Amino acid sequence: GAGVSQSPRYKVAKRGQDVALRCDPISGHVSLFWYQQALGQGPEFLTYFQNEAQLDKSGLPSDRFFAERPEGSVSTLKIQRTQQEDSAVYLCASSPGLAHSYEQYFGPGTRLTVT
Amino acid sequence: AQSVAQPEDQVNVAEGNPLTVKCTYSVSGNPYLFWYVQYPNRGLQFLLKYITGDNLVKGSYGFEAEFNKSQTSFHLKKPSALVSDSALYFCAVTLIKAAGNKLTFGGGTRVLVKP
Repeated sequence: GAGVSQSPRYKVAKRGQDVALRCDPISGHVSLFWYQQALGQGPEFLTYFQNEAQLDKSGLPSDRFFAERPEGSVSTLKIQRTQQEDSAVYLCASSPGLAHSYEQYFGPGTRLTVT
Repeated sequence: AQSVAQPEDQVNVAEGNPLTVKCTYSVSGNPYLFWYVQYPNRGLQFLLKYITGDNLVKGSYGFEAEFNKSQTSFHLKKPSALVSDSALYFCAVTLIKAAGNKLTFGGGTRVLVKP
């Protein structure tokens, strides 16, 4: 079946530009997560949605980062006024949200390069 | 706070030999532990998880991991490594909460299996 998809796969932005990254989770998955993976490091949590509700945004590094999931399916991570330190791979993951199904299924990521 | 340590940046092993990738964790409460594998330009793929029950868990592609509560470890093992196992491996921990089960990842261990 279809897995988690993300678009675009690659994005180059000039410093100061706004970007929007899209995530299509597995159909029916209640939980959706965004992670940031810097080069050579493990992914770091950004934010979590349960359906359309953003229940945890403790990992967002600044108020330039904003995420939404208005209809409880597709999610968008928006970064305003991009900075060079925002360069990373942004991973989206979804999970059924059922008891004992805690594994998260990851998309291929969007590699953002800020020049 | 929760954290994961993967003490080895890289593990080299000859094809056919046993493979071990080390992971230790720190968490306040009962941990839920995961192993993921990442191939170049691809997202993270779930390998296995420990939630409760038997300390030895079996996963995909012949991998297994042993949960050791006293040593706070969750080492990944494979009895006979294949060249195709060469990839980046991540250990992750979470606590199950109402506000989601965000994963905390280790820094990753690169596995190189030589023919």
